[in-house]
Amino acid sequence: EIVLTQSPGTLSLSPGERATLSCWASQSVSSRYLAWYQQKPGQAPRLLIYGASSRATGIPDRFSGSGSGTDFTLTISRLEPEDFAVYYCQQYGSSLWTFGQGTKVEIK
Amino acid sequence: EVQLLQSGGALGQPGGSLRLSCAASEFTFSSYAMSWVRQAPGKGLEWVSGISGSGDSTYYADSVKGRFTISRDNSKNTLYLQMNSLRAEDTAVYYCAKVGGGYKSFDNWGQGTLVTVSS
Repeated sequence: EIVLTQSPGTLSLSPGERATLSCWASQSVSSRYLAWYQQKPGQAPRLLIYGASSRATGIPDRFSGSGSGTDFTLTISRLEPEDFAVYYCQQYGSSLWTFGQGTKVEIK
Repeated sequence: EVQLLQSGGALGQPGGSLRLSCAASEFTFSSYAMSWVRQAPGKGLEWVSGISGSGDSTYYADSVKGRFTISRDNSKNTLYLQMNSLRAEDTAVYYCAKVGGGYKSFDNWGQGTLVTVSS
């Protein structure tokens, strides 16, 4: 089973700042099967990025994804008040899905 | 707009059973794989189970294998999760999710239903 490790656990930033979230895989992951989700308290997760770098429908272009192999990144270019939330990376392989443990982006 | 409306769940006893349902609309249900994902209180997301569009193939996390059964009724556009031999650690919010085609990401989610396992 592929284990995803996200870093940092918590990111304290101010609105307008750039956020860089990392996701490392225990073994190589197909970029096609790497996704990022945003979750706000009391809500279901929302797909942000699929295929490592493609934005899902309706996702603002301040969100971008990059990476390959075992090292992936989610970047939020300028944080808006609504972006403070928990973010999860996810991979698919061998008919199984796994999530990272999440990164909380909080207001500094 | 894709809709996934969940029902079922609530309170179950250790060793007992519960069934969750997820009614889908506004997309061709039988054309898409579906999954269940759970989230224990204050914890992260955990994938639980998946099923192909036809229902012929099913997949499970080790934590629920042999206890949970995923199924679907394509004539009713409904996904199910039969949960047997419940344990306290199964307490979580359970989400159904639509698998978005070839990229295998979860592009639409149900509203979630809380399952509490307690005597």
